[in-house]
Amino acid sequence: SQQGEEDPQALSIQEGENATMNCSYKTSINNLQWYRQNSGRGLVHLILIRSNEREKHSGRLRVTLDTSKKSSSLLITASRAADTASYFCGMSGTYKYIFGTGTRLKVLA
Amino acid sequence: SQTIHQWPATLVQPVGSPLSLECTVEGTSNPNLYWYRQAAGRGLQLLFYSVGIGQISSEVPQNLSASRPQDRQFILSSKKLLLSDSGFYLCAFDSIRYGYTFGSGTRLTVV
Repeated sequence: SQQGEEDPQALSIQEGENATMNCSYKTSINNLQWYRQNSGRGLVHLILIRSNEREKHSGRLRVTLDTSKKSSSLLITASRAADTASYFCGMSGTYKYIFGTGTRLKVLA
Repeated sequence: SQTIHQWPATLVQPVGSPLSLECTVEGTSNPNLYWYRQAAGRGLQLLFYSVGIGQISSEVPQNLSASRPQDRQFILSSKKLLLSDSGFYLCAFDSIRYGYTFGSGTRLTVV
């Protein structure tokens, strides 16, 4: 399959809790990115992690990458209702870019 | 700075009508260009990518085609739309420094 896989497909949490999403892939990658998409809108780039990096932080976001397991995780800490969106991982390889299937996150106020 | 323009933002077309979505980029030369589709409730699916003028690779067999008449112009077309062509279409290009840049997307509804 050309797509990476994400789990869970859907996640519902209470405001203030942490949300963790995972992404797995099959090919070798140059870098991996996480995106957010609000319903019906374009993608917003959140964070990029290169294949030689293991962890990156940006505000309330923490991304890890394990190239031996071909997986990445996105952690959103202290979630807010405004974090409600779909989150995708995207992977850059040779001439191609593939996306995960996405995780729909719902944060309840 | 690098920017990407995609239009129109929304489009409602009858079954059997033609389609043309256009995407242009600025601030970079010889970019890799991509068209994606997101069907309702699903992840993004790569439709076409292009590494240069006139070079188009198709990832899935379908009712759509793509063309790249100029270095920074990428067009998605169909001669006759199907109901199943409804979805959210995204154009994108990539750069070594900034990774991926997406257009704002086109929501196509075929009726």
